[in-house]
Amino acid sequence: QKEVEQDPGPLSVPEGAIVSLNCTYSNSAFQYFMWYRQYSRKGPELLMYTYSSGNKEDGRFTAQVDKSSKYISLFIRDSQPSDSATYLCAIFTGNQFYFGTGTSLTVIP
Amino acid sequence: NAGVTQTPKFQVLKTGQSMTLQCAQDMNHEYMSWYRQDPGMGLRLIHYSVGAGITDQGEVPNGYNVSRSTTEDFPLRLLSAAPSQTSVYFCASSYSGGTPEQFFGPGTRLTVL
Repeated sequence: QKEVEQDPGPLSVPEGAIVSLNCTYSNSAFQYFMWYRQYSRKGPELLMYTYSSGNKEDGRFTAQVDKSSKYISLFIRDSQPSDSATYLCAIFTGNQFYFGTGTSLTVIP
Repeated sequence: NAGVTQTPKFQVLKTGQSMTLQCAQDMNHEYMSWYRQDPGMGLRLIHYSVGAGITDQGEVPNGYNVSRSTTEDFPLRLLSAAPSQTSVYFCASSYSGGTPEQFFGPGTRLTVL
């Protein structure tokens, strides 16, 4: 079983829509959960991370962790064409990072 | 700060050739790592280092060597390139092994014929 699993999509939404991106993870001991954004032919960049459970908000982006179901989510409000990218979830064990396969998102003007 | 830099940006090798992918960071980060990214497989950790002189294997280390003689540099060596090593390689760094905030380089696109 992989440490983190992610639906690869692709996902296509109209501008202004609310986007929900999701991952599941395998080990309930994991404490750090991250979301990265990767534009085409670029390196990933960290959007936000959460420690343990709960929500974290940064502008139009909200990260949510549900430890009871081992489920992590990223919500994007009022999506913009500039949000078109691949979004990767990741977990950090304390010395190693494990990434999901990424979800490709296209926001249509 | 230049952040994390990688050279070369592109490389084509023949099977059996060796080469070194360079990675450098100017943020005085202790933790550095190498990933490969393949379609449908996501980012997979090859090797990582928690400080100068200390390296360890990640998820897919076979066929790759690393060393960390300075805080700034973390080169990745392909000993005898194989077509299965065709991939995009990313180097990343973070302040210490205990923080999840990693910064990635722009990547090296490697093709092995």
